[in-house]
Amino acid sequence: SAVISQKPSRDICQRGTSLTIQCQVDSQVTMMFWYRQQPGQSLTLIATANQGSEATYESGFVIDKFPISRPNLTFSTLTVSNMSPEDSSIYLCSVEGSREHQETQYFGPGTRLLVL
Amino acid sequence: QKEVEQNSGPLSVPEGAIASLNCTYSDRGSQSFFWYRQYSGKSPELIMFIYSNGDKEDGRFTAQLNKASQYVSLLIRDSQPSDSATYLCAVRNSGYSTLTFGKGTMLLVSP
Repeated sequence: SAVISQKPSRDICQRGTSLTIQCQVDSQVTMMFWYRQQPGQSLTLIATANQGSEATYESGFVIDKFPISRPNLTFSTLTVSNMSPEDSSIYLCSVEGSREHQETQYFGPGTRLLVL
Repeated sequence: QKEVEQNSGPLSVPEGAIASLNCTYSDRGSQSFFWYRQYSGKSPELIMFIYSNGDKEDGRFTAQLNKASQYVSLLIRDSQPSDSATYLCAVRNSGYSTLTFGKGTMLLVSP
């Protein structure tokens, strides 16, 4: 499976500010995904990021709040804009890989965000 | 709306016992089903997946799928304290590359 890194690993931010999270993969991948995991909750998909096209956002998530870039096949960023305490969460990127001829998803280590 | 349901637990089993984790899903068109393990403070780790009715074994883990009843389960044989984690069931949405996750079942294996 691909090796995925995220920066920063954690951050504490003030409300009203923005934070950009980076996701780097050690191999070229077509599909990258951004998830949010709020405290004690499961994973919620924010958007799918394909290189060369606009990200596809899930219901409840909008580009103005969570702009995403995908400049190449190994890198993506997610920005959390105009943050509020409700944005405190773990943000995870994942990439699609192949295992036993089946498409699967592998996750990065996550970014732990606390908004004060 | 596609839903994936899991009992939140915790499910407590003694070391050496079989742990049985269950998951039901609403999208009858779903074709692929995944089990992830998530240790506290860590990101999800893929354990195994299944897409055909029946059982699939991988070491101490067995995934079971019943599409007619829309449920998938994970059996962990000879449970170890190191298996203590939250287990997430995920379903690939029909026609898409995206996954819908359940809320996870916390498993506690006592020595």
